[in-house]
Amino acid sequence: SQTIHQWPATLVQPVGSPLSLECTVEGTSNPNLYWYRQAAGRGLQLLFYSVGIGQISSEVPQNLSASRPQDRQFILSSKKLLLSDSGFYLCAWSVGWTGEMNTEAFFGQGTRLTVV
Amino acid sequence: QQQVKQSPQSLIVQKGGISIINCAYENTAFDYFPWYQQFPGKGPALLIAIRPDVSEKKEGRFTISFNKSAKQFSLHIMDSQPGDSATYFCAASGTGNTGKLIFGQGTTLQVKP
Repeated sequence: SQTIHQWPATLVQPVGSPLSLECTVEGTSNPNLYWYRQAAGRGLQLLFYSVGIGQISSEVPQNLSASRPQDRQFILSSKKLLLSDSGFYLCAWSVGWTGEMNTEAFFGQGTRLTVV
Repeated sequence: QQQVKQSPQSLIVQKGGISIINCAYENTAFDYFPWYQQFPGKGPALLIAIRPDVSEKKEGRFTISFNKSAKQFSLHIMDSQPGDSATYFCAASGTGNTGKLIFGQGTTLQVKP
């Protein structure tokens, strides 16, 4: 069965510090990978997605970047955090494109980031 | 055109009642419409999903109604229970290799005992 791991669960970082959040998926190959951010009381905003190693697409301009160094590893980074980067960050995966219809995305348990 | 609009923002229902959450979209290329349930501090989990070739899908107490011409879909929770208290998100995605989901703003449901 497939599982998704995301860590850490909570993180408190000072303004201006770097960030690295990691997500790994097990039990599948060539998944689509996603980073979402959820602000308090709001919906899920897609930040980045990747359809393959080294292929990153950004949905919104921001202070963050993403990388996919391995097939089932997705990393969210920042060189200098801003207060506005606080939020609940969620990694997700879905089955890679098979030429047919898309299916559901499976989410990790999230990282609560507080920038102070 | 990529937006999915969800209402209401919050909902309070008595135990045993029906909870109804509505979503609307504009992009006719969307062809997959899932609903996710999220408990506090947890990641969203798929609840039920529908494709536009059917008008209704039922799984247990949860039903999706889909109106393709109106570009609207809704989630009905029958016999609502306190354990259903959570945030619900509708979403949509289109055909293509990205599989990316566009989410509604979410509805916080409280079921009172």
